[in-house]
Amino acid sequence: NAGVMQNPRHLVRRRGQEARLRCSPMKGHSHVYWYRQLPEEGLKFMVYLQKENIIDESGMPKERFSAEFPKEGPSILRIQQVVRGDSAAYFCASSPEQGATEKLFFGSGTQLSVL
Amino acid sequence: AQSVTQLGSHVSVSEGALVLLRCNYSSSVPPYLFWYVQYPNQGLQLLLKYTSAATLVKGINGFEAEFKKSETSFHLTKPSAHMSDAAEYFCAVSVIGRGADGLTFGKGTHLIIQP
Repeated sequence: NAGVMQNPRHLVRRRGQEARLRCSPMKGHSHVYWYRQLPEEGLKFMVYLQKENIIDESGMPKERFSAEFPKEGPSILRIQQVVRGDSAAYFCASSPEQGATEKLFFGSGTQLSVL
Repeated sequence: AQSVTQLGSHVSVSEGALVLLRCNYSSSVPPYLFWYVQYPNQGLQLLLKYTSAATLVKGINGFEAEFKKSETSFHLTKPSAHMSDAAEYFCAVSVIGRGADGLTFGKGTHLIIQP
């Protein structure tokens, strides 16, 4: 699973700033999933993207959060005007095809801390 | 709707002793069940999965889990703990027809191995 690269590993932001989290999927994977893990909670699904398309964003907050997966480059999870409650570990996962949970590989996560 | 409960946020066992990590699920339809492991500074790795075939599922590193419908449980076991098993373990549930966007994770159990 070292093939899914997330950066940065740690990100510190002050309230009101923007946070950009990057995820490069494994080679050959065109499906990307973002999860959030709040303190003392399990991972929660946020958004599912395929190249240039958002497939399912049912788990993403309606305001301040957005995600993209451009034709070229990594997937980006963007959080505008961060608040303390956004402090969490954000994990990205990729797979080569839809529905292939056994072929799902996770990155090491980005720990976002909002001061 | 589906949910997962992992009993015990921390479990400590001696090296060579039996490992038992508990997971109970709730699902309105037949579930798929998963155990993932997260080693320090790494992403989640799939240990094993149940997808309605054999109820006793064998995974990597000597782990296995048994699906018990009557108890709505999917506990993870290993006969003899090794120091390298120290990690965070997550139980997850999904349903037939859904991919990684349908995964619901438990809060995780931190496994500590004492020498």
